[in-house]
Amino acid sequence: SQTIHQWPATLVQPVGSPLSLECTVEGTSNPNLYWYRQAAGRGLQLLFYSVGIGQISSEVPQNLSASRPQDRQFILSSKKLLLSDSGFYLCAWSVHWGGPNTEAFFGQGTRLTVV
Amino acid sequence: AQKVTQAQTEISVVEKEDVTLDCVYETRDTTYYLFWYKQPPSGELVFLIRRNSFDEQNEISGRYSWNFQKSTSSFNFTITASQVVDSAVYFCALSGRTGANNLFFGTGTRLTVIP
Repeated sequence: SQTIHQWPATLVQPVGSPLSLECTVEGTSNPNLYWYRQAAGRGLQLLFYSVGIGQISSEVPQNLSASRPQDRQFILSSKKLLLSDSGFYLCAWSVHWGGPNTEAFFGQGTRLTVV
Repeated sequence: AQKVTQAQTEISVVEKEDVTLDCVYETRDTTYYLFWYKQPPSGELVFLIRRNSFDEQNEISGRYSWNFQKSTSSFNFTITASQVVDSAVYFCALSGRTGANNLFFGTGTRLTVIP
């Protein structure tokens, strides 16, 4: 069966510090991968998605970047965190060949607090 | 433009009561898919159901039921005989184009079931 791992679960970082959140998927090949952010009282906002190694699409302009160095690894990064980067970050995957009817499967999330 | 509205921010019910979570969507796509996800306190989103725009049959799964009405652009979710374990944030989502990378989420409804 497929599993998705995301870490760390919680993170407190000072403003201006770098960020690296990692997500890995097991039990499937060539998945679509996603990073979402959930701000307090708001829905989930898609930040990045990837359909293959080295292929990253950004949905919103921001202080963050994403990379996919391996098929089942997705990394969310920042060189200098801002207070507004605080939130709950969720990694997700879906089958590569899926259409709009394809559900996404989510990791357990990382709660990031920038202080 | 795609949009999902969950007007109920928070709902509290007493255990064993029935509760309906509302979801209203907007889309110009003729083919689209609607989803419900549950986010328990642990944080990860759990997929509950998917519905396509051509299937307006209501669906029942145990204590859960879904009422899809294209005429009112609604996809409401009812929990019958609620239990404490149903306490979570529930998200409605819409996908209409090229797959899960275009999954638009509502802002969620926090359901608290009081024992």
